[in-house]
Amino acid sequence: AQTVTQSQPEMSVQEAETVTLSCTYDTSESDYYLFWYKQPPSRQMILVIRQEAYKQQNATENRFSVNFQKAAKSFSLKISDSQLGDAAMYFCAYRASLGSGGGADGLTFGKGTHLIIQP
Amino acid sequence: DAGVIQSPRHEVTEMGQEVTLRCKPISGHDYLFWYRQTMMRGLELLIYFNNNVPIDDSGMPEDRFSAKMPNASFSTLKIQPSEPRDSAVYFCASGTGTLNEQFFGPGTRLTVL
Repeated sequence: AQTVTQSQPEMSVQEAETVTLSCTYDTSESDYYLFWYKQPPSRQMILVIRQEAYKQQNATENRFSVNFQKAAKSFSLKISDSQLGDAAMYFCAYRASLGSGGGADGLTFGKGTHLIIQP
Repeated sequence: DAGVIQSPRHEVTEMGQEVTLRCKPISGHDYLFWYRQTMMRGLELLIYFNNNVPIDDSGMPEDRFSAKMPNASFSTLKIQPSEPRDSAVYFCASGTGTLNEQFFGPGTRLTVL
């Protein structure tokens, strides 16, 4: 079974600084998708960024970017120019390619990193 | 679009009672997922449907849990009888065939006393 590990239960960063959240995963698949979701206190799950494993180029969405290292099975999230509104739980998630069978179409989540933004 | 709609937002019940959680996916989405979030276990997939058909229910914890999707616009997750350890936030999510993104509902916070 696939596993996703987030080794940082909590991170703190000064407003306007840059922070990197770590995520590693374990899979025997070669084609899959990786996601970062944000969960603010409202508990709404919001997609931040996604990466397709067959794409070598790292995904970027405005202030959010990833460092995808396929061989190392690492998928870190970098948040630049941190803002107070970035404070939330961040979850790394894995999904196998469609048609892999079983529960592959669902997301496997890490335990999350609580990000604190210091004003 | 209104997004994924879940009801109720909060539910408090007593042990042994039946609980029914409801979900309306985004129109046009053919996948529907039920997840549960607890402090101990994090976010875990319970069951998912494709075109109203259950594909994998291996995440359903026990026979006390059941889920149905009678049509493309409605799904229920039922717990009977409920137990205190079922207390959690239950999320419904929907997506299209490529599943580049799963859209989550606001969740139902269930408390079983």
